[in-house]
Amino acid sequence: QVQLAQSEPEVHKPGASVRVSCKTSGYIFSDYYLHWMRQAPGQGLEWMGWINPHSGATNYGQMFRGRVTMTRDKSISTAYMFLSRLTSDDTAVYFCAKEIGTTNAFDFWGQGTKVTVSS
Amino acid sequence: SYVLTQPPPVSVAPGQTARVTCGGDNIGSKSVHWYQQKSGQAPVLVVYDDKDRPSGIPERFSGSHSGNTATLTISRVEVGDEADYYCQVWDGSGEHPVFGGGTKLTVL
Repeated sequence: QVQLAQSEPEVHKPGASVRVSCKTSGYIFSDYYLHWMRQAPGQGLEWMGWINPHSGATNYGQMFRGRVTMTRDKSISTAYMFLSRLTSDDTAVYFCAKEIGTTNAFDFWGQGTKVTVSS
Repeated sequence: SYVLTQPPPVSVAPGQTARVTCGGDNIGSKSVHWYQQKSGQAPVLVVYDDKDRPSGIPERFSGSHSGNTATLTISRVEVGDEADYYCQVWDGSGEHPVFGGGTKLTVL
């Protein structure tokens, strides 16, 4: 069965960087785009960007350009989201999600990784 | 950038029908997807491409859209349906998804 397993919660100080991983299984990793979303406490879903696992091409949301980098390691079917220059506004749960393939909906999501930024 | 607008919280009694709306400019021309997110959990896709259901989603969940409004209808509401519901479309110009702000469904 399809699974997206994310890394453990993290706590960082302002100005630091964080890397969240998303290990996939149960499907062909290279065949489906992966997206990253985040959800601040009590807020809605915010799209951050996507990566094409086959080519490594990326598209980042305007709010995150210059601070976010998305990569993948095809050998272990894992995607990574790296966010730098953290502020308290980056405190959120970060999700990876797999595109369904036939349309731009997300049929499987990771469990979420809570990132806390606090001095 | 394309904007999706969802209404304030919705309350419904068990067994009744709940309707969650999603407004957007000419949303009827786009494919609309709906997610259910229970407290502390990841979102779950319940309707995609306006009206299709993923495997395992009950027939009680259905979608429709016309003009500037898309609607998720939940028939015979159960206590377990209590959650936040998000609509989503694809912004072709920016090549990215857009989410509505979410609607909290309370089952009384």
